[in-house]
Amino acid sequence: GAGVSQSPSNKVTEKGKDVELRCDPISGHTALYWYRQSLGQGLEFLIYFQGNSAPDKSGLPSDRFSAERTGGSVSTLTIQRTQQEDSAVYLCASSLAPQLTDTQYFGPGTRLTVL
Amino acid sequence: SQQGEEDPQALSIQEGENATMNCSYKTSINNLQWYRQNSGRGLVHLILIRSNEREKHSGRLRVTLDTSKKSSSLLITASRAADTASYFCAPTEYGNKLVFGAGTILRVKS
Repeated sequence: GAGVSQSPSNKVTEKGKDVELRCDPISGHTALYWYRQSLGQGLEFLIYFQGNSAPDKSGLPSDRFSAERTGGSVSTLTIQRTQQEDSAVYLCASSLAPQLTDTQYFGPGTRLTVL
Repeated sequence: SQQGEEDPQALSIQEGENATMNCSYKTSINNLQWYRQNSGRGLVHLILIRSNEREKHSGRLRVTLDTSKKSSSLLITASRAADTASYFCAPTEYGNKLVFGAGTILRVKS
């Protein structure tokens, strides 16, 4: 595709509900990253997928957060039993491969609001 | 990966002036990247400078890297209103995740 796409662009949910956020990386990119950005803050790494390797989950803030990447392409970030502190913009990025380039291309993000 | 610290926190200049932002980091890196974020275009990669490079240019952007001082600077020449955005640096280890600080908020007044 032309760029990284994410859906939905906005999500408002009630505390305690589960949400799923989707990311479609650039075609051919083997590396996929999830980040989140709270209001006025920098970027917080969540999880990283590279090819068929086990994902780097070191940034996931709690066991309520999980992510999967099916077929090496689309990824879904799931937040269970959402809390108000989960409110943030969730950004997905992809890169061709760490071995070839370190440039990450970001999607527009999903703005999550937990009421 | 480590977090870069951008300085100043905010910068306000007139259109046509140059803008300089600085980034400091703590440990050795493979490369350092600069990104820009504004409401219209989201988070966009600007330029990457590798640890064995000292200076790099891309259009109106000039980036320097001093690994002995663990610092980098981003210079935007002849600024435009469209340059108004937040700018982040990411000191990066090879193929690793990005970590941004709070960034420098640049406002270019027309």
